Amino acid sequence: GAVVSQHPSRVICKSGTSVKIECRSLDFQATTMFWYRQFPKKSLMLMATSNEGSKATYEQGVEKDKFLINHASLTLSTLTVTSAHPEDSSFYICSATRTGGLQSSQHFGDGTRLSIL
Amino acid sequence: GESVGLHLPTLSVQEGDNSIINCAYSNSASDYFIWYKQESGKGPQFIIDIRSNMDKRQGQRVTVLLNKTVKHLSLQIAATQPGDSAVYFCAENLRTGNQFYFGTGTSLTVIP
Repeated sequence: GAVVSQHPSRVICKSGTSVKIECRSLDFQATTMFWYRQFPKKSLMLMATSNEGSKATYEQGVEKDKFLINHASLTLSTLTVTSAHPEDSSFYICSATRTGGLQSSQHFGDGTRLSIL
Repeated sequence: GESVGLHLPTLSVQEGDNSIINCAYSNSASDYFIWYKQESGKGPQFIIDIRSNMDKRQGQRVTVLLNKTVKHLSLQIAATQPGDSAVYFCAENLRTGNQFYFGTGTSLTVIP
């Protein structure tokens, strides 16, 4: 089946550090990937749509300069949390849509738990 | 993301009973809906989907009902098992774009 891998699964770092999270589609090509943020016991909040070969589309209220997204290939999107602060601590989840696939073909990674000290 | 900020409702059921999980969506332009199951520390897993031209869809042990008039979805799980304990989210997709927006979610606990 379709597998999406996120790396790292957990990050703990000091305030001011920039953190890069990778999202890879392992056995399919993904023109579009999505990045979500989830606070404890809360829902997933869509942050941005990552488009291969073009700029990401950010949801209202999400800072582009804070959350840099790069989708350089059909199997990899990266989210960089720049100059992270404690309020950026959260669970970040990506999903990937198979190129040419149906709307239902959105496969999720297992998330990255980011803790900023 | 209209439901972000609300706390997670909880539902406890006895093993073997049926569970009904509800979701209210906000956008009347949404035409496709998915129910996801999320276990602790993992990403969401697809359970079942339904398009707006249907009002009911059945899968294995699960049924989704859609009421467009009141913008309401429900997920019914038959003969609930301990392995069904998780958080369940509905997600809506608008006619334009591939983005999905998640509802508040419900935490289901199955009591053996």
